[in-house]
Amino acid sequence: SQTIHQWPATLVQPVGSPLSLECTVEGTSNPNLYWYRQAAGRGLQLLFYSVGIGQISSEVPQNLSASRPQDRQFILSSKKLLLSDSGFYLCSVDRGGGSYEQYFGPGTRLTVT
Amino acid sequence: ILNVEQSPQSLHVQEGDSTNFTCSFPSSNFYALHWYRWETAKSPEALFVMTLNGDEKKKGRISATLNTKEGYSYLYIKGSQPEDSATYLCAFTNTGGFKTIFGAGTRLFVKA
Repeated sequence: SQTIHQWPATLVQPVGSPLSLECTVEGTSNPNLYWYRQAAGRGLQLLFYSVGIGQISSEVPQNLSASRPQDRQFILSSKKLLLSDSGFYLCSVDRGGGSYEQYFGPGTRLTVT
Repeated sequence: ILNVEQSPQSLHVQEGDSTNFTCSFPSSNFYALHWYRWETAKSPEALFVMTLNGDEKKKGRISATLNTKEGYSYLYIKGSQPEDSATYLCAFTNTGGFKTIFGAGTRLFVKA
């Protein structure tokens, strides 16, 4: 079965500072990987998805970026955080079998001050 | 732009009440419709995935139906219990790619 690791679990960063959130997946190979964000009072917003190493699709214009340097590693970054970047960040992998059912990691709570 | 709408936004019920939520989604380029349950301090967990018009799925007291022609799905909870309190998310996957778009969710509060 798949296991998703995310770190850090919580993060408090000042406005204008850089960001790096990491997600690693075990128990599968060549997964489709996703970054979602839940801002306060809102649903899950798809930020990025990746179907393979070095392949990143961005869903919303923002000051965030994503990279996939290895098959089971997905990184979310920013050069300069904004207050609006605060939220709960979830990494997910689809379970395969063609259903695109998402299996989520434990998440990172980011507070930008 | 893919848009998934859920209603109501929140719902307060008494223990034992039955309840239902609605999810509406684009009726074109449909691939799959998902329901997730998201408890506080946890990650969302998949409840159902439905791919065919008319699909009905059931897990214990929770069931879901799907109408792809008109673009809606219902989630039903029979005899709500306090442990059912959570946010219920609906998500739509289209045929155009690997994207799964989530609705804002319905927050259910079940009072004992």
